[in-house]
Amino acid sequence: ETGVTQSPTHLIKTRGQQVTLRCSSQSGHNTVSWYQQALGQGPQFIFQYYREEENGRGNFPPRFSGLQFPNYSSELNVNALELDDSALYLCASSTGTNPNTGELFFGEGSRLTVL
Amino acid sequence: RKEVEQDPGPFNVPEGATVAFNCTYSNSASQSFFWYRQDCRKEPKLLMSVYSSGNEDGRFTAQLNRASQYISLLIRDSKLSDSATYLCVVNMGYGGSQGNLIFGKGTKLSVKP
Repeated sequence: ETGVTQSPTHLIKTRGQQVTLRCSSQSGHNTVSWYQQALGQGPQFIFQYYREEENGRGNFPPRFSGLQFPNYSSELNVNALELDDSALYLCASSTGTNPNTGELFFGEGSRLTVL
Repeated sequence: RKEVEQDPGPFNVPEGATVAFNCTYSNSASQSFFWYRQDCRKEPKLLMSVYSSGNEDGRFTAQLNRASQYISLLIRDSKLSDSATYLCVVNMGYGGSQGNLIFGKGTKLSVKP
């Protein structure tokens, strides 16, 4: 196991609602990245947090927001949910802002269904 | 054009077969390259990095051609346990928005007895 834990593992929401997903990073890792993986697609980068600051963002609207806490755990918040937000949300931890080793340690994900 | 494109798959092969996956990337400034493996309904895990000189890890060989912006993965002597989706991944190489990994859609491999 990677030591990255996410909660909840599954959840169902309706359009317009808000959701908060949580992630505990692997011990010693100070960087958390969030990815969205729709069915049949590869993971898409949402944003990255390093030492509690956003450190890069992908092509996602502002209703996707996040936080990182002093213990390096993180939250992903999505407001005004849309049907297309249905996906597996993956949290990945790493050391530093430049994971050139390519090794991100992923959690098992939170599977969100929007009805 | 998508940033990272892979063979659509699926690849259905018998045990013992050799199978090759190809991937192209659009941004010539890309710095580093990887193959990840994702089992059904599980998280992606790093399989191997890809270097210009080519690199091998047991039955797996990865190649990078920067001039053609092309990456490949060769699996020899396929095992049933190799069945998974293989994701081609590119890193722009620096902090900020360029520090993230760009994933392809993945190619599904199914190894049959």
